[in-house]
Amino acid sequence: SQTIHQWPATLVQPVGSPLSLECTVEGTSNPNLYWYRQAAGRGLQLLFYSVGIGQISSEVPQNLSASRPQDRQFILSSKKLLLSDSGFYLCAWSVGTGVAFFGPGTRLTVL
Amino acid sequence: GEDVEQSLFLSVREGDSSVINCTYTDSSSTYLYWYKQEPGAGLQLLTYIFSNMDMKQDQRLTVLLNKKDKHLSLRIADTQTGDSAIYFCAESSNFNKFYFGSGTKLNVKP
Repeated sequence: SQTIHQWPATLVQPVGSPLSLECTVEGTSNPNLYWYRQAAGRGLQLLFYSVGIGQISSEVPQNLSASRPQDRQFILSSKKLLLSDSGFYLCAWSVGTGVAFFGPGTRLTVL
Repeated sequence: GEDVEQSLFLSVREGDSSVINCTYTDSSSTYLYWYKQEPGAGLQLLTYIFSNMDMKQDQRLTVLLNKKDKHLSLRIADTQTGDSAIYFCAESSNFNKFYFGSGTKLNVKP
């Protein structure tokens, strides 16, 4: 069966520090991968999606970037965090079935 | 992204039925989904419906789709306190992107 991992589960970072969040998927090949952000009391905003290694599409301009160095690994990064980057970051995957499955999320607090 | 709209809150008594509504704008939506999020957790897929269907029932869950009005609803029969969570409506037109509503927080009172 397929599983999706995210780490860390929680993170507290100062403004201006770098960020690296990792997501890995097991039990499937060539998945589509997604990064979503859920700000406090708000819905899910699609940040990035990837249909293959090295292929990244950005949905909104922002202070973040994404990379996919391996088929089942998706990384969310920032060089300098802003206060507005705080939120709950969710990684998800899908294959041709048309259903997205989510990881447990990373709670990021920028102080 | 595409617009998916939901009301923010719903409060019901235990044992009653809950109906959570959603509207969307993308007429080419292929699949429509309902996800559940418990506090501090990721999203759990509850059910989904293909756009050529009007209704789908799965145990206590009933999904109704009015494609003409672009309206989706989720009915939870015999709502329990364990159903308290945030429910997200989502749509996808090409399986490459999934767009979500703002979520409806369901509060079930004992």
